[in-house]
Amino acid sequence: GQQVMQIPQYQHVQEGEDFTTYCNSSTTLSNIQWYKQRPGGHPVFLIQLVKSGEVKKQKRLTFQFGEAKKNSSLHITATQTTDVGTYFCAGVSISGGGADGLTFGKGTHLIIQP
Amino acid sequence: GAVVSQHPSRVICKSGTSVKIECRSLDFQATTMFWYRQFPKQSLMLMATSNEGSKATYEQGVEKDKFLINHASLTLSTLTVTSAHPEDSSFYICSALGAVPHTQYFGPGTRLTVL
Repeated sequence: GQQVMQIPQYQHVQEGEDFTTYCNSSTTLSNIQWYKQRPGGHPVFLIQLVKSGEVKKQKRLTFQFGEAKKNSSLHITATQTTDVGTYFCAGVSISGGGADGLTFGKGTHLIIQP
Repeated sequence: GAVVSQHPSRVICKSGTSVKIECRSLDFQATTMFWYRQFPKQSLMLMATSNEGSKATYEQGVEKDKFLINHASLTLSTLTVTSAHPEDSSFYICSALGAVPHTQYFGPGTRLTVL
């Protein structure tokens, strides 16, 4: 079945440093989504990427979708303490027609030291 | 934005009992809802896809007789964990497929603890 690998599992950064998490799928995706989960909370939708090579920005967050639609990345510039949490990528297989459940990566736990 | 609620938020039960978790889409209709499970410090794993008016589709390794799913209306799906055991203790999260293509809106989750 479809697998989504995400690295790193943990990332410690000093406040103000940049942070990047990477996601790779074993199959071509129709779209990839990114979620943030705070400790004890539920995943909150951040963004969806659909087009090959797409790049989207949300303030300090930059999301990329690979040309082959099998990999993606999330980059945070100048991290702040509010960025703490676990970032998950989640993919929808291209064969699913868009109505399938998401296959989540294992997530990257971002820990920020002030 | 689209809101999905879950009830209860926390439940503690004795081994062998059944627990029902409700997932509601509050301001939109969802023909498709999903149920995920998340063990501590792990990622979300899709358990099943719930389609209104039809039988749920279960992922490999998920027992359909143990995790009963009912999606009787366009705004409500329920997950019943039957004869719960301690290994079923987990965070159960539902999501609803929204009008924006491919977008899922997650509920706040239900923390199940089986003693």
